[in-house]
Amino acid sequence: EIVLTQSPATLSLSPGERATLSCRASQSVSNYLAWYQQKPGQAPRLLMYDASNRATGIPARFSGSGSGTDFTLTISSLGPEDFAVYYCQQRSNWPYTFGQGTKLEIK
Amino acid sequence: EVQLVESGGGLVQPGGSLRLSCAASGFTFSSYAMHWVRQAPGKGLECVSIISPNGGSTYYANSVKGRFTISRDNSKNTVCLQMGSLRVEDMAVYYCARWNYAGGMDVWGQGTTVTVSS
Repeated sequence: EIVLTQSPATLSLSPGERATLSCRASQSVSNYLAWYQQKPGQAPRLLMYDASNRATGIPARFSGSGSGTDFTLTISSLGPEDFAVYYCQQRSNWPYTFGQGTKLEIK
Repeated sequence: EVQLVESGGGLVQPGGSLRLSCAASGFTFSSYAMHWVRQAPGKGLECVSIISPNGGSTYYANSVKGRFTISRDNSKNTVCLQMGSLRVEDMAVYYCARWNYAGGMDVWGQGTTVTVSS
């Protein structure tokens, strides 16, 4: 089973700042990595797929990069609605595992 | 409107069974693989099971293999998860999600809560 490790566990930033979230895989997943956002009491929402492709309706301030084992989700300028938990997920091998999440909180 | 609506959650004793259902609308259900994903209280996300568009292929997490069965009825636009031999560690919110072959789960239901307790 591929293990995804996200860092940091918690990221404290202010609106308008840049956020950089990391996801590291225990073995190569090529570019088969997605990112999700989850707010309290809500289902996750797909942000990025195949590492660098924004899902439908996702603002351009979200971007993704990486391949192999190291991936990054960047939010260029945080809006108040961006404070949430973010998960990465690989689809290289079944089971499609998720990282443990990064909580992005308001500083 | 593209929508997934789960039902069937509830309270069950350890060792018991429960059947979850997910009703899809607003898209060609038979064209998509479907997932069940769960989230234990205060925890992260876990892929439980996936079923191919025609139902011919299914996969399970090791934690539920042999106890859970995923199925679908494309004539009724539903996907189900039959859960047996339930354990306390199966307690979670269970989501169904559409698998977009571009590479992610792009439509999610609101979730249904399974509580396993005596």
